[in-house]
Amino acid sequence: DAGVTQSPTHLIKTRGQQVTLRCSPISGHKSVSWYQQVLGQGPQFIFQYYEKEERGRGNFPDRFSARQFPNYSSELNVNALLLGDSALYLCASSLLGPNTEAFFGQGTRLTVV
Amino acid sequence: ELKVEQNPLFLSMQEGKNYTIYCNYSTTSDRLYWYRQDPGKSLESLFVLLSNGAVKQEGRLMASLDTKARLSTLHITAAVHDLSATYFCAPFYNQGGKLIFGQGTELSVKP
Repeated sequence: DAGVTQSPTHLIKTRGQQVTLRCSPISGHKSVSWYQQVLGQGPQFIFQYYEKEERGRGNFPDRFSARQFPNYSSELNVNALLLGDSALYLCASSLLGPNTEAFFGQGTRLTVV
Repeated sequence: ELKVEQNPLFLSMQEGKNYTIYCNYSTTSDRLYWYRQDPGKSLESLFVLLSNGAVKQEGRLMASLDTKARLSTLHITAAVHDLSATYFCAPFYNQGGKLIFGQGTELSVKP
């Protein structure tokens, strides 16, 4: 079975541009979460979606938005990119429930220049 | 505010030695995870601890959870070079469906 897949794997953007990152969860998983990991730090929670609804949002500006599609895949959009948005963006999928485990994709490395 | 503190942040060990990584978290959570991350790679799930007193072991790694103290430990037994990586603990909170990660412990095992 395929794991969590993210695209693209690497991306270089210029300040002020917009970017869209994509995530396909493990088959059967209905929850997708997004995390930002700046170099040398632990991942920080951005969003969680379950059944196409936003269920949680971290402390990120409104430039960050996301959505989940009927097939449970997800997109993360970041507008008006800043240098500080350079990071590894990780997507995790899970079934939800008390014994649910989150499985992470390989991430998208975003560099803003 | 939800906070997670790991210590130490850096750990240089000799092969064959034992050591423990500590994870303190500020707010009672629903479950706690330990992850491993190799340089430039994603997160690999090691353990999920669901209840007070839970202990799980896999190879040379053993994780435990004390929910009353809001403390989890990752014990390394007879370290080998292959264990060199960064280790993260992350309590999970149902409200918001989020993992809150510690800063990570960078482990280097030297021959």
